[in-house]
Amino acid sequence: EVQLLESGGGLVHPGGSLTLSCEGSGFTFKNYAMSWVRQAPGKGLEWVSAINNGGTDTFYADSVKGRFTISRDNSKNTLSLQMNNLRAEDTAIYYCTKESEPLGPGWFDPWGQGTQVTVSS
Amino acid sequence: DIQMTQSPSSLSASVGDRVTITCRASQSIGRDLNWYQQKAGRAPKLLIYGALSLQLGVPSRFSGSGSGTDFTLTISGLQPEDFATYYCQCSSGMPPNIFGQGTKLEI
Repeated sequence: EVQLLESGGGLVHPGGSLTLSCEGSGFTFKNYAMSWVRQAPGKGLEWVSAINNGGTDTFYADSVKGRFTISRDNSKNTLSLQMNNLRAEDTAIYYCTKESEPLGPGWFDPWGQGTQVTVSS
Repeated sequence: DIQMTQSPSSLSASVGDRVTITCRASQSIGRDLNWYQQKAGRAPKLLIYGALSLQLGVPSRFSGSGSGTDFTLTISGLQPEDFATYYCQCSSGMPPNIFGQGTKLEI
């Protein structure tokens, strides 16, 4: 069974940093692009960032460009999202998701259970 | 940037009804359109990919159609478990992976 398990969420002050991790299992991790998608409280889905299968190409939403960094370690089947200079508007559930294509973009399946990030003083 | 406009934002229906949700792209995206279902407190789930293809395990009462700029998700014979929020997603363009605003389907 394909599974994605996120970790690393929590409460952080504005301007602070946090790193999210996602461990994939049940599939050949290195063969697929991966993305992070977030959902603010009571709001819709917002794509945040993507990385191709080899980790050589990265993409970011304008709202996080310059503050977030996506990376992956294919030897450990792990995806990461380094979030710096966090703002209140970054408060959301962050989902890790597997893309359908190695180079992206494609459809997202499956999704992890999500990890909560709260930015507040 | 491609914009995705989903309608309606909310919809009331009854068990057994046939409902249609629409997603419109600001420019042609071929069939690079996917649909997701999200139940309260849960992660989204892929229903339809490539505008037309039903994801494995998804009931056949769900169907997708359209190409270019106009797409629809149809649920034929609503079941109690179908009451949820539905999102379209464009998987092309730059930036990629733009979602529609969502449609909340209520009883």
